Amino acid sequence: EVQLVESGGGLVQPGGSLRLSCAASRFTFSNFAMSWVRQAPGRGLEWVSAISGTGAYTYYADSVKGRFTISRDNSESTLYLQMNSLRAEDTAVYYCAKGGVSGSYYGNYFDYWGQGTLVTVSS
Amino acid sequence: SYVLTQPPSVSVAPGKTARITCGGNNIGSKSVHWYQQKPGQAPVVVIYYDSDRPSGIPERFSGSNSGNTATLTISRVEAGDEADYYCQVWDSSSDHVVFGGGTKLTVL
Repeated sequence: EVQLVESGGGLVQPGGSLRLSCAASRFTFSNFAMSWVRQAPGRGLEWVSAISGTGAYTYYADSVKGRFTISRDNSESTLYLQMNSLRAEDTAVYYCAKGGVSGSYYGNYFDYWGQGTLVTVSS
Repeated sequence: SYVLTQPPSVSVAPGKTARITCGGNNIGSKSVHWYQQKPGQAPVVVIYYDSDRPSGIPERFSGSNSGNTATLTISRVEAGDEADYYCQVWDSSSDHVVFGGGTKLTVL
């Protein structure tokens, strides 16, 4: 079965940086768009960013555009999220999620999710 | 930006039918996906492309989408269905994924 394992979360001060990773296995990673979705404590799901299978196309929520960068290493089947200029409101569990249909980001759903990694932004 | 509106909570007795709505401007023209999330767990897709059901999801879960409202219907509700449910679409005007605010389903 598909496996997604996030890592890299932790406590960081406001204005700091953090890099999240998502190690994927048991599917052809390069065939699928991937996304990061976050969930603040006690709140709903918020889409953060997505990247096409080749990595050529990236998409960002307005709340993180210019501060976060999504990337992927298809040779290592790993997804990344570089988070800079972190704010208290970025505190959340960050999930990586796999697109359900190969080859497309548009209109897609998420068929597998990791267990999430907690990012806490606080002084 | 596109907005999806869900009721914060829905309550239903065991064995009855629960209907969770997701409202959006002309949502019937979009593909709607539904996720179930239990406390401390990652979300799980229960309905995709309006009405398709992944393998392993009980037939009691069904979906529909028309006009300005999409609906997730759970028949013969069980205690184990108690969870938060989220609808999701892709907004073509912004190239963004959009989630509804979520609905907490309580089984009485």
